Parts: sequence; structure tokens; C-alpha cells
Amino acid sequence: DTAVSQTPKYLVTQMGNDKSIKCEQNLGHDTMYWYKQDSKKFLKIMFSYNNKELIINETVPNRFSPKSPDKAHLNLHINSLELGDSAVYFCASSQRTPGANVLTFGAGSRLTVL
Amino acid sequence: AQSVTQLGSHVSVSEGALVLLRCNYSSSVPPYLFWYVQYPNQGLQLLLKYTTGATLVKGINGFEAEFKKSETSFHLTKPSAHMSDAAEYFCAVIETDSWGKLQFGAGTQVVVTP
Repeated sequence: DTAVSQTPKYLVTQMGNDKSIKCEQNLGHDTMYWYKQDSKKFLKIMFSYNNKELIINETVPNRFSPKSPDKAHLNLHINSLELGDSAVYFCASSQRTPGANVLTFGAGSRLTVL
Repeated sequence: AQSVTQLGSHVSVSEGALVLLRCNYSSSVPPYLFWYVQYPNQGLQLLLKYTTGATLVKGINGFEAEFKKSETSFHLTKPSAHMSDAAEYFCAVIETDSWGKLQFGAGTQVVVTP
């Protein structure tokens, strides 16, 4: 059983299109995240939800809209895709506890915008 | 704000040789520290973490790291490299009470030669 699963794994689309990436975790965690990994492998947090509430919202274009229908799911919708959106998007989850939250990552969704 | 510096974007080691990956962080208060590994076309997997207590932390696959507050460092080592250690390694920090907002270093790619 995959702990954090993302779909699709690969996504190729044209500029200007709208696309979504879905994420589900079966770990019973209460917090989920979206990270973006660029072509130089640099990882940066985009959003985080705790029990369906948005708690981290980094400086991300408002073309990106996350949605968390329940604490086990976090989706990412991207409008009007641009070339610069090409990246690998990682979903992660954790259980918020006192001390360090250990994140469990999905395998990533590679988005290519042509 | 926290920052994480990984010295060396590429490291080449011979099979059986010592692996040493350097990580320094900037903070007036020691954060929680992590090392993650990313194998090709996969998500990130936790190698080890430091929160409090013993400064020498042992992780999976024979890796260990030592937290040195005076040097603001958290270097990762493995006494004897194996071909399967070829991957990208990321040092990361979380500030306390930052809702699991992992801040990553730029990553170090490890190549293992026979």
C-alpha cells in the first residue's frame, strides 16, 4: 500500500491549459503539503493544510489553487499554465506533534509545459 | 529566516570509501535538522533527523550525522560507500512551531564509482 500517492505521475500539456494533480495519503496524518522541485533539483514549499485548513501559503502565483476536501486528500489545480511551471510537484504528509514533524513524500508528479 | 547550505553540488566517491556530505544552517536557535535522500525518479526518503538529545544520530542504510551547535553544522557520513548510495541528498531544517515548513538545501548528488 502506497503511503502517499500522487496522480498523474507524468503530465505533458500546452501553455495556457489548466491541469490538476491529486494526492492521497493513507497514513492518518493531519497535515499535507505541496512542494515544487525545479530543474536544478531545488525544493520549495508551496502550500500546507492542517485538517483541511490552509496554514502555509508561500509566495506562489494565484494561478495555483490547492484544495483539501478532507485531511487525507490534497489537490493542486493550476490555471493558465506557463513554461516556468514545468517542474516536479511533490505531495507530502505529516502528523503535527510537539517536536519535529517528519514528512512522508509521494513519488512526485512531473509536469512539462510545452 | 533559516537558510541551509550544502557544500558541493556533486560528490564522487569510490565504492568502499568514506562518504561525507556537508550541511550548515543559519539560525540563532538550533532548529530541527534532517537528511533526506532522493533516488532517481522517486520521492524523498528520510535518512535521519536530529531534534534534541544525543548529537550523533544514526539513520538508515549505515548513514549517520553529527549536530555541532558551535559550527552550526549537520554533516552526513557513511564509512563505506555502496553503489546503491548513488542518489541526491538533501539537508533540511524546520524551525520550531513552523507547521512542518521544511527548508531544503540545494542538494548534493553522489556518484559512486567502482
